[in-house]
Amino acid sequence: TQLLEQSPQFLSIQEGENLTVYCNSSSVFSSLQWYRQEPGEGPVLLVTVVTGGEVKKLKRLTFQFGDARKDSSLHITAAQPGDTGLYLCAGVLPPKLNFGKGTSLLVTP
Amino acid sequence: NAGVTQTPKFQVLKTGQSMTLQCAQDMNHEYMSWYRQDPGMGLRLIHYSVGAGITDQGEVPNGYNVSRSTTEDFPLRLLSAAPSQTSVYFCASRQGADGYTFGSGTRLTVV
Repeated sequence: TQLLEQSPQFLSIQEGENLTVYCNSSSVFSSLQWYRQEPGEGPVLLVTVVTGGEVKKLKRLTFQFGDARKDSSLHITAAQPGDTGLYLCAGVLPPKLNFGKGTSLLVTP
Repeated sequence: NAGVTQTPKFQVLKTGQSMTLQCAQDMNHEYMSWYRQDPGMGLRLIHYSVGAGITDQGEVPNGYNVSRSTTEDFPLRLLSAAPSQTSVYFCASRQGADGYTFGSGTRLTVV
């Protein structure tokens, strides 16, 4: 059973476009994390959101945690080719970290 | 550089062989985990540890053993390799509520 559902599974856009990736669950998490993974490498942490309704910004990336702490979204403004990668959300149910299947993003020049 | 070190990076095994994937971290992190990553399946938790001497099963533990005799090391043992264990394996560590630091992975093929 997949605790976290990510959508879309694949996304191919052109440089300069905006996009939103969603991470949904029926479970309540103590916190939620977003990672980015490039081919041949391990995932790298982008952000942790803890409080329901919390919004965090990392340059052109905006992360939001749902009020009920069950879902989250990642919005990228003016995507660049360097944003290409696999984006993974992960919900914390201590002591475990449960991952979604990921959204594979391709940004073409 | 501090981080999580996994060895080997690549391995080919024959069905029935056993081997140990090594994982070491030098950040004094209390939590360590092993995940496997398969196409379309995301990262699935195999085993995890909340400290030296303490381990527990994750989502897909069958066919794997772990031990945590020191804070630094968390080896993953494949007892009798099967083609279904062909995957990319990641070790990760974290401290408290911080995010995980991942190793660069071991790509395992079982023929």
